[in-house]
Amino acid sequence: DVKVTQSSRYLVKRTGEKVFLECVQDMDHENMFWYRQDPGLGLRLIYFSYDVKMKEKGDIPEGYSVSREKKERFSLILESASTNQTSMYLCASRPLSGSGTDTQYFGPGTRLTVL
Amino acid sequence: QQPVQSPQAVILREGEDAVINCSSSKALYSVHWYRQKHGEAPVFLMILLKGGEQKGHEKISASFNEKKQQSSLYLTASQLSYSGTYFCGTELRWPSHGSSNTGKLIFGQGTTLQVKP
Repeated sequence: DVKVTQSSRYLVKRTGEKVFLECVQDMDHENMFWYRQDPGLGLRLIYFSYDVKMKEKGDIPEGYSVSREKKERFSLILESASTNQTSMYLCASRPLSGSGTDTQYFGPGTRLTVL
Repeated sequence: QQPVQSPQAVILREGEDAVINCSSSKALYSVHWYRQKHGEAPVFLMILLKGGEQKGHEKISASFNEKKQQSSLYLTASQLSYSGTYFCGTELRWPSHGSSNTGKLIFGQGTTLQVKP
């Protein structure tokens, strides 16, 4: 079974703190993604990475940065946390076998609260 | 461009049927359907490809109308376990390795389904 793990299920931080969210996948997938999920807005892409050290902005990258130093690990960084970044953060990974039928596998999510 | 799902929410009794639609303004290569239960990760249900056939999974099936750029998810004889939020993820082009801007899915806002006894 594909396993995508996230470092924390729940996290509470203070405004202005630097926050690190870690995601690890154990299936050698090329692509990794960070989403935030808010009620009524669905899953919105923050950043994604298609290879080690390669990253692309998603739809809502402002206030976030990412790091992918190893293939299995993709980190989301909130440089200076703000209350409007309180949300559920989901990590996903996806293989690219060339079949065109691969899909994304999600981690359990991190519920971040910024006070 | 985020696809639009309809309805936003639906309440059913056990045994009733439901249809969830996902519409895009752009030509699509594929549509991926997921279900998310409260507090859990989204779980993959099925993928519909351009030019592919209608897919089925137990009493859950889906279709893809390429001309309308719309996919529909059909839940037949619903069970309590079908409750959750359903998302469609759309893909504009065939995903190729080592290239930026591919492999991404753009998700709809979700449809909340509640099945009551």
